[in-house]
Amino acid sequence: RKEVEQDPGPFNVPEGATVAFNCTYSNSASQSFFWYRQDCRKEPKLLMSVYSSGNEDGRFTAQLNRASQYISLLIRDSKLSDSATYLCVVNLHNDYKLSFGAGTTVTVRA
Amino acid sequence: GAVVSQHPSRVICKSGTSVKIECRSLDFQATTMFWYRQFPKQSLMLMATSNEGSKATYEQGVEKDKFLINHASLTLSTLTVTSAHPEDSSFYICSASPSGGTASTDTQYFGPGTRLTVL
Repeated sequence: RKEVEQDPGPFNVPEGATVAFNCTYSNSASQSFFWYRQDCRKEPKLLMSVYSSGNEDGRFTAQLNRASQYISLLIRDSKLSDSATYLCVVNLHNDYKLSFGAGTTVTVRA
Repeated sequence: GAVVSQHPSRVICKSGTSVKIECRSLDFQATTMFWYRQFPKQSLMLMATSNEGSKATYEQGVEKDKFLINHASLTLSTLTVTSAHPEDSSFYICSASPSGGTASTDTQYFGPGTRLTVL
């Protein structure tokens, strides 16, 4: 089992649609979770941290399900500019090392 | 926000040559920087942790004699790929954190990456 696993997609959605996807992680004791966005051939950029109670940032909502060991990202009212690869990032062992999923590709079409 | 730069952004070299990649924190000091490698359609993999003034810590399976890391100042870490071969062709990315980078909640800021192609 991979330590951080994501559905690679691609998720092809029309503008205005809602898209959601999950990421599972292997260590139930993990405490820190993040979603990063990576555009083609560019560096990852922090989208949002994921808090235990779930959190929202504009059109983006992140949730944590500790019992099932996954985090999720939901994008509402998709924009063309949301097209990117979304990386699930977990601090698996609560040290300073980040573990990355391979990414979920989202393509928003006009 | 915190800015991390890398140079060069792209390099093409012949097999057997050495390539040096620089990572700089532009508006903060970084005692710790991280070097990652990303192959196409794969996740970022941590290669090593660069520590200012001391030896780097390498992840399992990463050859320290092949990937030389020097962190001589609080704003600069360098990664040298020695005797590069085609299988070293990859996207190399560094990261650093204004809050140190060694706490689990520290936000990492990534450099723009260096795309290395070894012919």
